[in-house]
Amino acid sequence: GAGVSQSPSNKVTEKGKDVELRCDPISGHTALYWYRQSLGQGLEFLIYFQGNSAPDKSGLPSDRFSAERTGGSVSTLTIQRTQQEDSAVYLCASSLIVGAQGETQYFGPGTRLLVL
Amino acid sequence: AQSVTQLDSQVPVFEEAPVELRCNYSSSVSVYLFWYVQYPNQGLQLLLKYLSGSTLVKGINGFEAEFNKSQTSFHLRKPSVHISDTAEYFCAVSDFRDDKIIFGKGTRLHILP
Repeated sequence: GAGVSQSPSNKVTEKGKDVELRCDPISGHTALYWYRQSLGQGLEFLIYFQGNSAPDKSGLPSDRFSAERTGGSVSTLTIQRTQQEDSAVYLCASSLIVGAQGETQYFGPGTRLLVL
Repeated sequence: AQSVTQLDSQVPVFEEAPVELRCNYSSSVSVYLFWYVQYPNQGLQLLLKYLSGSTLVKGINGFEAEFNKSQTSFHLRKPSVHISDTAEYFCAVSDFRDDKIIFGKGTRLHILP
């Protein structure tokens, strides 16, 4: 079956504009995660969903960042009033079972965001 | 809270030589440990993971890792590397209290001809 897909693959935007990043998880995966990968910084956890709810939003770097998930499937990460420091690769991952520890995460190819 | 330290940001090694990528973690409870690999221009994929049982875990592409509870380490090893192993390797940790997985900053493996 299809893996995790993300769109767009690349996004260039001007400072101050809003952007939406989309993630389509593997069908049937109930857990969905967003990470930010900056050069030399590894993977920074942003938020995860169990179904449509997000129990932990503590990783979001500021109130300009928000995310939602509808129908237990597609998720959208929105960055409002983008800043140059938001430039990074945004990765989405999904896993099969909610709350079961040790589950393997399956990653999408990422969205490379560049804020000019 | 858990944390992961990958001390080496880059590791150069000659082809067919052995390699060890170091990972240390910090947690007050039992943990699950992972190594993920990111090949150039590709997404992350699981290399191997430790959940319980045998402390020596074998993964794909000839890699293995050993869980050492006393040293809070989960170092990744391969006895003979190939040019195709050029990638960035991420160590990660989670535990039963939380669905989050915490990743290290990654180690870039450079294979020298």
